[in-house]
Amino acid sequence: SQTIHQWPATLVQPVGSPLSLECTVEGTSNPNLYWYRQAAGRGLQLLFYSVGIGQISSEVPQNLSASRPQDRQFILSSKKLLLSDSGFYLCAGHHRGHEQFFGPGTRLTVL
Amino acid sequence: QKEVEQNSGPLSVPEGAIASLNCTYSDRVSQSFFWYRQYSGKSPELIMSIYSNGDKEDGRFTAQLNKASQYVSLLIRDSQPSDSATYLCAVSSGTYKYIFGTGTRLKVLA
Repeated sequence: SQTIHQWPATLVQPVGSPLSLECTVEGTSNPNLYWYRQAAGRGLQLLFYSVGIGQISSEVPQNLSASRPQDRQFILSSKKLLLSDSGFYLCAGHHRGHEQFFGPGTRLTVL
Repeated sequence: QKEVEQNSGPLSVPEGAIASLNCTYSDRVSQSFFWYRQYSGKSPELIMSIYSNGDKEDGRFTAQLNKASQYVSLLIRDSQPSDSATYLCAVSSGTYKYIFGTGTRLKVLA
């Protein structure tokens, strides 16, 4: 079965600090990978998606970036966090013929 | 802008009743439709997918799709307190992207 691992589960960071969230996938190869953010009481906002190594599409202009250095690894980064970056960050995967599945998420609080 | 609309709720139903959750979408070329359940503080989990008009049943869950009306619904029979969660509707037009609604919060009262 397909599984997504994300870490850390929770993170508290000061404004202006850097960020790196990692997502790894098991049980499938060459998946499409996605980063979503969910603000408190809000829906899922698609931030980035990737259809392969080194291929990143950005959905929302902001101070975040994403990279896919390996087939099953997807990284979300920021050089300087803003208060508005707080939220629940979810990595998701999708392989041809299957539905999108989610990792456990990282809850980020920027103070 | 492609949109998926859901009533935010909360929808309150007594234990044992049928809960009916609704979703409308704007993109007429949408091909795939999904219902995810999200417990508070947790990530979404897929509970139903539907691809053609009509009903699809899986245990206590039934998904209904009407492409002409651009409408998809989820029925939960014999609702249990453990069904209390936020239900997210998602739509895909066959590209890489899913469009999610903001979710309907369901409360099943014991």
